[in-house]
Amino acid sequence: ETGVTQSPTHLIKTRGQQVTLRCSSQSGHNTVSWYQQALGQGPQFIFQYYREEENGRGNFPPRFSGLQFPNYSSELNVNALELDDSALYLCASSSGRGPGYEQYFGPGTRLTVT
Amino acid sequence: KQEVTQIPAALSVPEGENLVLNCSFTDSAIYNLQWFRQDPGKGLTSLLLIQSSQREQTSGRLNASLDKSSGRSTLYIAASQPGDSATYLCAENAGGTSYGKLTFGQGTILTVHP
Repeated sequence: ETGVTQSPTHLIKTRGQQVTLRCSSQSGHNTVSWYQQALGQGPQFIFQYYREEENGRGNFPPRFSGLQFPNYSSELNVNALELDDSALYLCASSSGRGPGYEQYFGPGTRLTVT
Repeated sequence: KQEVTQIPAALSVPEGENLVLNCSFTDSAIYNLQWFRQDPGKGLTSLLLIQSSQREQTSGRLNASLDKSSGRSTLYIAASQPGDSATYLCAENAGGTSYGKLTFGQGTILTVHP
């Protein structure tokens, strides 16, 4: 059974640019959640996708957007990058969308905005 | 607003010592609470998940308890080892929505020295 994978591992972008991060969910999982973890902080919920639809969103501006594909992999897109977007971005997959489904995390993508 | 607080922020202990990490949450309608381990720059590894109907969960040298009435959870680590050094995060899933949003504390940085 393959776990959650994310790419790339590290990324450096310039302020104002756009970035796309990718996540492959664990086999059999149809739900992907994205979290942002700033240095020294706990992760913060960005949004969740269930069967290709956004299913819930945290307190993040619209320049944070996502997609989920028919194979349940997912992308996180961030437009007009700001210095404060520098963080570890984590995705987690689960076999369902409700609170009763355990989320399994990937290794993360470290984004640095200069 | 859901808030999760972890105390202490950092802890340094000698090898072999038993220790307790604390987690407080504000939402009494908690669905479940989860403890994670995070090594520097890495993703999250789930340690224990406690459902709201449970009082505690055990895995090897780890024991986690949940007291909904006081809004507290503790993670007990027995006979600590240098390999236990990591950041420990607790996260509550408050339910009440159609999606599983985890709200994290800021973590406790644990150092176990030989």
